[in-house]
Amino acid sequence: QSALTQPRSVSGSPGQSVTISCTGTSSDVGGYDYVSWYQQHPGKAPKLMIYDVSKRPSGVPDRFSGSKSGNTASLTISGLQAEDEADYYCCSYAGRYTFVVFGGGTKLNVL
Amino acid sequence: QVELQESGPGLVRPSETLSLTCAVSNYSISSGYYWGWIRQPPGKGLEWIGSFYHSGSTYYNPSLKSRVTISVDTSKNQFSLRLSSVTAADTAVYYCARAPLYCSGDSCYPGPVHYWGQGTLVTVSS
Repeated sequence: QSALTQPRSVSGSPGQSVTISCTGTSSDVGGYDYVSWYQQHPGKAPKLMIYDVSKRPSGVPDRFSGSKSGNTASLTISGLQAEDEADYYCCSYAGRYTFVVFGGGTKLNVL
Repeated sequence: QVELQESGPGLVRPSETLSLTCAVSNYSISSGYYWGWIRQPPGKGLEWIGSFYHSGSTYYNPSLKSRVTISVDTSKNQFSLRLSSVTAADTAVYYCARAPLYCSGDSCYPGPVHYWGQGTLVTVSS
């Protein structure tokens, strides 16, 4: 069982927006502004999409945005495109003894 | 562009030691950043195994710490993973990765991973 809870799957149609949630506790997501999100296509290595809750690495479209409220972080993808269909994982710092934890992943289906 | 490439056996017997190497190109591992290993069991999520910072700081997943050794060969610009006493639960795709140094209070740890290797599947089976 993963430390951070994500929905198993979400779906959306091209052009729509979807939001993927990542729920933790005050010891991880809620306690630090160190949440990151990764996109992973089948058979490929993960790709960093969001870090430090809401920052985008160079080259990531601004259709991808991140936010956090309390113990829940969110990844929002607007203007869905077919190539956004992938697995998405959240990650958070969890304190000096646990350090880094991941969510179980969310499968995004673009209908 | 930094490149990381994993190599090593794809099949390991139970109770033996898994050994992988990550060769780094276009950046000296002595120059900075955390370098380490992340794994992903088939159909499951991601898990940090361990990492080191060029100055000597290390991070190990507490659940794996007793079985993990990460070593560095700066002359070859590569680093290695050894995971002892493996079981079927250690079957996974193993990625090598580069992450920035993040510090919170007096503890430091690998931040978000900007660079990944392509990954290598290691199966533990007799």
